[in-house]
Amino acid sequence: LAKTTQPISMDSYEGQEVNITCSHNNIATNDYITWYQQFPSQGPRFIIQGYKTKVTNEVASLFIPADRKSSTLSLPRVSLSDTAVYYCLVGDRMDSSYKLIFGSGTRLLVRP
Amino acid sequence: DGGITQSPKYLFRKEGQNVTLSCEQNLNHDAMYWYRQDPGQGLRLIYYSQIVNDFQKGDIAEGYSVSREKKESFPLTVTSAQKNPTAFYLCASRGEIPGQGNYGYTFGSGTRLTVV
Repeated sequence: LAKTTQPISMDSYEGQEVNITCSHNNIATNDYITWYQQFPSQGPRFIIQGYKTKVTNEVASLFIPADRKSSTLSLPRVSLSDTAVYYCLVGDRMDSSYKLIFGSGTRLLVRP
Repeated sequence: DGGITQSPKYLFRKEGQNVTLSCEQNLNHDAMYWYRQDPGQGLRLIYYSQIVNDFQKGDIAEGYSVSREKKESFPLTVTSAQKNPTAFYLCASRGEIPGQGNYGYTFGSGTRLTVV
């Protein structure tokens, strides 16, 4: 399973764009990159998933360079409610034996 | 709406007592998982099940037991052998994510277990 490295914490202000980068140097050919968001005392919630280049949905964008050894989650114009822990996970989403391995994630604090 | 339901939300256990945490899903997912989360930490895998009547130990299975008699249900029992059970427990299933068009994990809202 690919190991991921992401910053422990980040601070931002309301209205700013936040970019959280995740390093995954040993990503495998079949691996997808998935980001989850977790609020205190809640289960993680799926944000976005991608394999290469750029993916965008209504809440975020995911940028993946050609070598796929890193990825960047971009949150446009954050609000106070975006304060949460963000997890980057890498793995073969179709492998029936695949088990998610969570690190400590990135704690994002959005200030007024 | 499809999803995962965990109950109860809060649970208190006395020393030496076994307790069972419920996890039910209506997503028609084959694979289900139990994770434990301690304050300020990531998630650690307790048990997982890829299909009915089959389950495997995760990284911290000691003191826990599970069953998978039905596709929809994956209850976790915290036994008296688990010496430090106070934690937040999360159940997840794997398959198509509702409303997303992607394939991954859907989590329940968690059960907070406290030893009193």
